Amino acid sequence: AAGVIQSPRHLIKEKRETATLKCYPIPRHDTVYWYQQGPGQDPQFLISFYEKMQSDKGSIPDRFSAQQFSDYHSELNMSSLELGDSALYFCASSLAGELQPQHFGDGTRLSIL
Amino acid sequence: DAKTTQPPSMDCAEGRAANLPCNHSTISGNEYVYWYRQIHSQGPQYIIHGLKNNETNEMASLIITEDRKSSTLILPHATLRDTAVYYCIVRVSNSNYQLIWGAGTKLIIKP
Repeated sequence: AAGVIQSPRHLIKEKRETATLKCYPIPRHDTVYWYQQGPGQDPQFLISFYEKMQSDKGSIPDRFSAQQFSDYHSELNMSSLELGDSALYFCASSLAGELQPQHFGDGTRLSIL
Repeated sequence: DAKTTQPPSMDCAEGRAANLPCNHSTISGNEYVYWYRQIHSQGPQYIIHGLKNNETNEMASLIITEDRKSSTLILPHATLRDTAVYYCIVRVSNSNYQLIWGAGTKLIIKP
């Protein structure tokens, strides 16, 4: 079965640069979630989208923005990158509605030099 | 969403049943119990969820106490590939809400 696809798998940037992470949900899934996981930490929710509209917002910095496109893929845009942004970034997708579990991609490992 | 408490780590012998407890004493009536696991640096993987009845699927069984204040995830025949961090999460039904992750249990399967 098709899974959540994230690209790139690895990304190296320098401080103050920008980065764009992409997420392609499981076909027919209409909801996308972004999570950040720092080294040795648990995942932290950043933001989610349902039917191309923001549905929930977590601890996403103002330097980050995200959107969901008409084909349901999503992009996380990160600007003025800081050393503390080094982390694994996971995207998950689900069907909307009661009890639908989130299915995760394998993440993008972002390293800031 | 209610808070959960899990032991930080557990060991289990390969081939035996792994029983992972979770305490969620403040769970409310419309909150479901979800279990995910994360194998090192991979994306979290959904395992199972339930409200008040015991549930079973191809991966695991979920036993929820009658008062719903605790639950146990059972991996019936643990293999080395089941070594992972297991997260117990309670979540309001009928929502697209974020998952709030606790510290989880590091399960180590030993040969």
